[in-house]
Amino acid sequence: GAVVSQHPSWVICKSGTSVKIECRSLDFQATTMFWYRQFPKQSLMLMATSNEGSKATYEQGVEKDKFLINHASLTLSTLTVTSAHPEDSSFYICSARSRGTYFGPGTRLTVL
Amino acid sequence: ILNVEQSPQSLHVQEGDSTNFTCSFPSSNFYALHWYRWETAKSPEALFVMTLNGDEKKKGRISATLNTKEGYSYLYIKGSQPEDSATYLCARGTGNQFYFGTGTSLTVIP
Repeated sequence: GAVVSQHPSWVICKSGTSVKIECRSLDFQATTMFWYRQFPKQSLMLMATSNEGSKATYEQGVEKDKFLINHASLTLSTLTVTSAHPEDSSFYICSARSRGTYFGPGTRLTVL
Repeated sequence: ILNVEQSPQSLHVQEGDSTNFTCSFPSSNFYALHWYRWETAKSPEALFVMTLNGDEKKKGRISATLNTKEGYSYLYIKGSQPEDSATYLCARGTGNQFYFGTGTSLTVIP
């Protein structure tokens, strides 16, 4: 089956630093990838839709200058959390669309 | 926002018991309903995609039904096994976007 990987699986950083999360489709090409986040006891919420070779589309309330998305190839999308603050601590998960929608295992971000 | 609700939030059952949980969603402009099984530290695994009212799908001991007119789907697990322990997510799909419920956490006690 189609596999999506994420790296890192968890990261702890200091407030004010930037963190990059990678999402890769390992055995298929994905023109569209999606980024979600999940706060404790809440549902996965779509942050943005990442299209290969074009700008990402952000959901309402998600700051595009804070959450930088790059989808430079058909197998890789990156999410960079810039100037991270403790309120950005969350679980970030990506998905990639081929014939179905396949999810990565997620990244736990803790900002101190 | 298309609110998707799942109940119960968590469930503990004995090995061998059958169980079911509910996903409810707004019934207007329905496109598709997805069920995922999500084990800790792993990727959510797609179980079913359901699109038609009255759909019933089955995968081994797991099955699901869909009622788009009243806006609910049931997931059934027959003869629960410890390896069924996971969080079961449902999501309403609208083409590009998924709107997820908070999931039902199932623990099967050996």
